[in-house]
Amino acid sequence: GAVVSQHPSWVICKSGTSVKIECRSLDFQATTMFWYRQFPKQSLMLMATSNEGSKATYEQGVEKDKFLINHASLTLSTLTVTSAHPEDSSFYICSARTGGVFEAFFGQGTRLTVV
Amino acid sequence: AQTVTQSQPEMSVQEAETVTLSCTYDTSESDYYLFWYKQPPSRQMILVIRQEAYKQQNATENRFSVNFQKAAKSFSLKISDSQLGDAAMYFCAYRSATSGTYKYIFGTGTRLKVLA
Repeated sequence: GAVVSQHPSWVICKSGTSVKIECRSLDFQATTMFWYRQFPKQSLMLMATSNEGSKATYEQGVEKDKFLINHASLTLSTLTVTSAHPEDSSFYICSARTGGVFEAFFGQGTRLTVV
Repeated sequence: AQTVTQSQPEMSVQEAETVTLSCTYDTSESDYYLFWYKQPPSRQMILVIRQEAYKQQNATENRFSVNFQKAAKSFSLKISDSQLGDAAMYFCAYRSATSGTYKYIFGTGTRLKVLA
């Protein structure tokens, strides 16, 4: 149980285009989802927290208009990187939690390369 | 604000031996959770062990155990009988127990190498 799936696992896009990453909780309802960014050999940096049906809460320094997060249902959150640039290339990881469980479960991550 | 510090960027251990990874944290809260996550080359984050701050007893999961020193704000991970499959990045993480606060704060990680 407690499986979180991200799609795609790997994506290449051209500079200036937008790319959407999906995060799904497969066997539980995710009341809260988190999006992280991880640079090579570095830690996970929280980008934003989203609750189902509410606007995402972004961490300081994260551009809201560039990283659009939608948590429209209890099993799906999406991260859209708009007008992507090479510096947005990174590994993006989502995690999800449900009420009554204090740990969060992680997706397998998405490697984004902007060329 | 809470912080998590892992002072060992890299550690090595001989197969079958024991290794301890260090983690310290800073918080003014009294109730919180601490975690150790493993990130193998696949990049999938895997929960290794967790500790509730209100529990005095150190958590144990098979070959993995922690030494939780609340007063010292220390949370080290001991891996016994190390196996080649234990090689990975290990992240220490903090989460507040305050209702409505669910975000994790991660340390910078320790890369563990297991030598055959």
